[in-house]
Amino acid sequence: DGGITQSPKYLFRKEGQNVTLSCEQNLNHDAMYWYRQDPGQGLRLIYYSQIVNDFQKGDIAEGYSVSREKKESFPLTVTSAQKNPTAFYLCASSIDLSAGGLNEQFFGPGTRLTVL
Amino acid sequence: KNEVEQSPQNLTAQEGEFITINCSYSVGISALHWLQQHPGGGIVSLFMLSSGKKKHGRLIATINIQEKHSSLHITASHPRDSAVYICAVANFGNEKLTFGTGTRLTIIP
Repeated sequence: DGGITQSPKYLFRKEGQNVTLSCEQNLNHDAMYWYRQDPGQGLRLIYYSQIVNDFQKGDIAEGYSVSREKKESFPLTVTSAQKNPTAFYLCASSIDLSAGGLNEQFFGPGTRLTVL
Repeated sequence: KNEVEQSPQNLTAQEGEFITINCSYSVGISALHWLQQHPGGGIVSLFMLSSGKKKHGRLIATINIQEKHSSLHITASHPRDSAVYICAVANFGNEKLTFGTGTRLTIIP
């Protein structure tokens, strides 16, 4: 089955620690995205990647880092510099990065991060 | 930046009712997406529209480009339709989406 997997589903971390969220896709998609969802707010874009070894900051990139060493994988690291990291994190992919948002995005199941 | 507003924020209806969820945006767009988020959090893409109307099963999505407005309709609603429905838009020449805050739909048996 083709799709996107995120792990873990629930993640707890102590304040001051870095944590990495996994995102893997087997859809052969070029473009991948990380979003953050907070209660009462729309999804906000953290980072996106058009192709291997290339990625761009989204609207709320501060305190986060990503890598794209393989087409299938786009891990997100939440660093200790992120002031309010508790949130629901969603990874998505699309066949490519289409100007005009004309490509359907496929979403993973999400990771709920709680900072203790 | 495009402002996306959805209404209503919450909607509760009886099984079988016809449901309408609205989405308005402030700046002309190239595409509008309707997404469904189930209680577990996963999101599924329902429709992508740039004009006119699309239908899939009991779901119908329409868009009026001149009025900067889209509607998602559900006919013969069922409790399994209970979810959060999210509207997202893409501006011309921009690959990024702007998301609405969602409409929480609850269908009572």
